[in-house]
Amino acid sequence: GEDVEQSLFLSVREGDSSVINCTYTDSSSTYLYWYKQEPGAGLQLLTYIFSNMDMKQDQRLTVLLNKKDKHLSLRIADTQTGDSAIYFCAEGLSNTGNQFYFGTGTSLTVIP
Amino acid sequence: DGGITQSPKYLFRKEGQNVTLSCEQNLNHDAMYWYRQDPGQGLRLIYYSQIVNDFQKGDIAEGYSVSREKKESFPLTVTSAQKNPTAFYLCASSMGGHTEAFFGQGTRLTVV
Repeated sequence: GEDVEQSLFLSVREGDSSVINCTYTDSSSTYLYWYKQEPGAGLQLLTYIFSNMDMKQDQRLTVLLNKKDKHLSLRIADTQTGDSAIYFCAEGLSNTGNQFYFGTGTSLTVIP
Repeated sequence: DGGITQSPKYLFRKEGQNVTLSCEQNLNHDAMYWYRQDPGQGLRLIYYSQIVNDFQKGDIAEGYSVSREKKESFPLTVTSAQKNPTAFYLCASSMGGHTEAFFGQGTRLTVV
């Protein structure tokens, strides 16, 4: 499969911004996604970005895509304790049918 | 309500036994997926199906089998050949074409 890498852990203080980073290897990605997983649950889509875009903002979430460096980031403004979860980036590849490839996940801990 | 349902939520199996995990969706999605989640390893694709009566192996298909006889159902059998089956299993579905993947709430399988 494709390599999608993330840092395993991130801690931030409540009210600060969080930045979760992701790198991927395949340049044929059509869409890139951010999912959130709360303990013992499935994944929920937070946001996604088309591969021909550089940035997308959705309320407290900002996604930045650097296609040249194959780097994706998710910024959460004014991080709250309810944002504590595991965050996964994922890519959808145009040359593999409907496959999605997920990163290793970043566990975000928000300190009150 | 439309959604994707996995059952059971918790499953215990004795070594040497086969066990089948259920996944049902009423979203009219063509594509369905099975992922395995282990701590620190993210989601790894076991099998996926883009259409009824068709499925493909993912990155870690050994020791698993699937069927796709109906559009809404994609059961996963964990066979006795799977050497380390204890994990959290996630089923997902999508309309295809890299649209959003919707996830079930997962099944935690423990081999005792």
